[in-house]
Amino acid sequence: DQQVKQNSPSLSVQEGRISILNCDYTNSMFDYFLWYKKYPAEGPTFLISISSIKDKNEDGRFTVFLNKSAKHLSLHIVPSQPGDSAVYFCAANNNNAGNMLTFGGGTRLMVKP
Amino acid sequence: KAGVTQTPRYLIKTRGQQVTLSCSPISGHRSVSWYQQTPGQGLQFLFEYFSETQRNKGNFPGRFSGRQFSNSRSEMNVSTLELGDSALYLCASRTSGTYNEQFFGPGTRLTVL
Repeated sequence: DQQVKQNSPSLSVQEGRISILNCDYTNSMFDYFLWYKKYPAEGPTFLISISSIKDKNEDGRFTVFLNKSAKHLSLHIVPSQPGDSAVYFCAANNNNAGNMLTFGGGTRLMVKP
Repeated sequence: KAGVTQTPRYLIKTRGQQVTLSCSPISGHRSVSWYQQTPGQGLQFLFEYFSETQRNKGNFPGRFSGRQFSNSRSEMNVSTLELGDSALYLCASRTSGTYNEQFFGPGTRLTVL
């Protein structure tokens, strides 16, 4: 039972354009959501997060949107840069239960120069 | 501040052996979580330790165990290794508080032959 899903395994975007990565979840107890960027054989790097009391959070080129009624979140990267090419994971946590992130399967983003 | 460190970075073992992996969290972080990444199952939560106590455990067999020391450093142990235990093992730490992100180490690549 996949509680967090990233339905697009890959995404290709032109440099300078917007990248939109999507994530769906099923567990309504999740109240904290995070996006991580990952290169092979390295640990995930934290990008941005959002708590369930918000619907949007921005940090520089990265914006995360949360739609609780649809159990959907998305990460927008504007403008996309070739250095953004990596695998992006969304993760969710139920903070009342502790710190055990549930990850989606990842989306490979390729930003073409 | 130094990031999360993990040792060793690479390890090769044979079936039936046991292995111990080590994690030093970011200074001041008392929560340490462990994750396993495999191509087939993705990133999966193993367990979380806080103040030397296991607070949560994922759906892994009892061959996987861990502990945390008074300085917050953590170790995980896998006994009777199986081929399927080959994976990237990631450690993450975070501060106390409700909405705080987990920071990951570079991981230990375990290969079981």
